[in-house]
Amino acid sequence: NAGVTQTPKFQVLKTGQSMTLQCAQDMNHNSMYWYRQDPGMGLRLIYYSASEGTTDKGEVPNGYNVSRLNKREFSLRLESAAPSQTSVYFCASSENPGSQETQYFGPGTRLLVL
Amino acid sequence: GNSVTQMEGPVTLSEEAFLTINCTYTATGYPSLFWYVQYPGEGLQLLLKATKADDKGSNKGFEATYRKETTSFHLEKGSVQVSDSAVYFCALTDPYSSASKIIFGSGTRLSIRP
Repeated sequence: NAGVTQTPKFQVLKTGQSMTLQCAQDMNHNSMYWYRQDPGMGLRLIYYSASEGTTDKGEVPNGYNVSRLNKREFSLRLESAAPSQTSVYFCASSENPGSQETQYFGPGTRLLVL
Repeated sequence: GNSVTQMEGPVTLSEEAFLTINCTYTATGYPSLFWYVQYPGEGLQLLLKATKADDKGSNKGFEATYRKETTSFHLEKGSVQVSDSAVYFCALTDPYSSASKIIFGSGTRLSIRP
């Protein structure tokens, strides 16, 4: 099993450009998440999908959209990138929603917006 | 609201030293508590967890005890190795959330000298 995979690993964008970050998991998990990691701030939740067909906002959703394409895939889209979106983005999944569930993380996508 | 506070790093120790990384939390109810570890260039992975008061989580020689009375979940290891060099995140999940939305601390970077 590959676990959680993310593409691309690294991306440079100019302000105003758009892009989609891809995430897939092969563990048959129901719930998926997108986080951003900034220095000194830990990880912050952008959006999550408790189950296929549902998505909800997290702590910092502005400037992002998501699509739960199917049970395996959960993409994050930046419609008009801004320098403030320079960050490392992590996708995660868990078997089910719930406070005791363990989340499994992908390797991350490093995004630089100029 | 719910929050996690952990000691600031970086923490630098010699091999075989005793490690403590402090973590305290603020939450309503009875959250689940986690320690995640991030090795260089990788995503986060679960190190250990505890889901109720007085539970002790343990893995790879690391331990942490869920202390309700002091709202703490300090990470300890009796003898650290160079391979333990990483960033450690304390985290909790909201017991009243329908999804396992994790709230992370800001992370503590640990460096072990040979």
